[in-house]
Amino acid sequence: NAGVTQTPKFRILKIGQSMTLQCTQDMNHNYMYWYRQDPGMGLKLIYYSVGAGITDKGEVPNGYNVSRSTTEDFPLRLELAAPSQTSVYFCASSLLRGEDTQYFGPGTRLTVL
Amino acid sequence: AQSVAQPEDQVNVAEGNPLTVKCTYSVSGNPYLFWYVQYPNRGLQFLLKYITGDNLVKGSYGFEAEFNKSQTSFHLKKPSALVSDSALYFCAVRDGYSSASKIIFGSGTRLSIRP
Repeated sequence: NAGVTQTPKFRILKIGQSMTLQCTQDMNHNYMYWYRQDPGMGLKLIYYSVGAGITDKGEVPNGYNVSRSTTEDFPLRLELAAPSQTSVYFCASSLLRGEDTQYFGPGTRLTVL
Repeated sequence: AQSVAQPEDQVNVAEGNPLTVKCTYSVSGNPYLFWYVQYPNRGLQFLLKYITGDNLVKGSYGFEAEFNKSQTSFHLKKPSALVSDSALYFCAVRDGYSSASKIIFGSGTRLSIRP
């Protein structure tokens, strides 16, 4: 199993540009998550999904959108990039929600200039 | 509101010595507690978790953590540190198992093991 994969690994955007961060998992997990990691701030939950067709906001959803058309894929969309969105983005998945382990992808480092 | 605190930004330990990385939490219900490790340019990897039962939890790579309800702590420990343990460690807590509960990560502690 590849686990959780993310593309791209790195990206530089100009202010106002849009992009989609891709996330795919091959473990048949129902739950998927998007986090951002800012230096010294830990991880903040952006959006999560409890299954195909169902998504919900996390702690810091503003400026982002998600969709979940299949169990495997959970893309994160930035519509109008802003410097405040410069961060490292991690996708994760888990079999259950409450007590289960989350499996993380390798991350996407995004810089908005 | 639920929260988790890692009071030390950095912990420095000599190889072969015991190590402790501290974590305290605040939740309204029964806590589900986790430790994750992040190596440079990698995603987080699960180390161990406490859900219920024995207060001493054993995990990957020889790490263990002790749940202390009275002190609301979940410190990560290892009897003998290795240079390869140098990484960023995150404590996390979930407030129960309801659909409304969310996992909260601490700010991380950088562990540095010197040879």
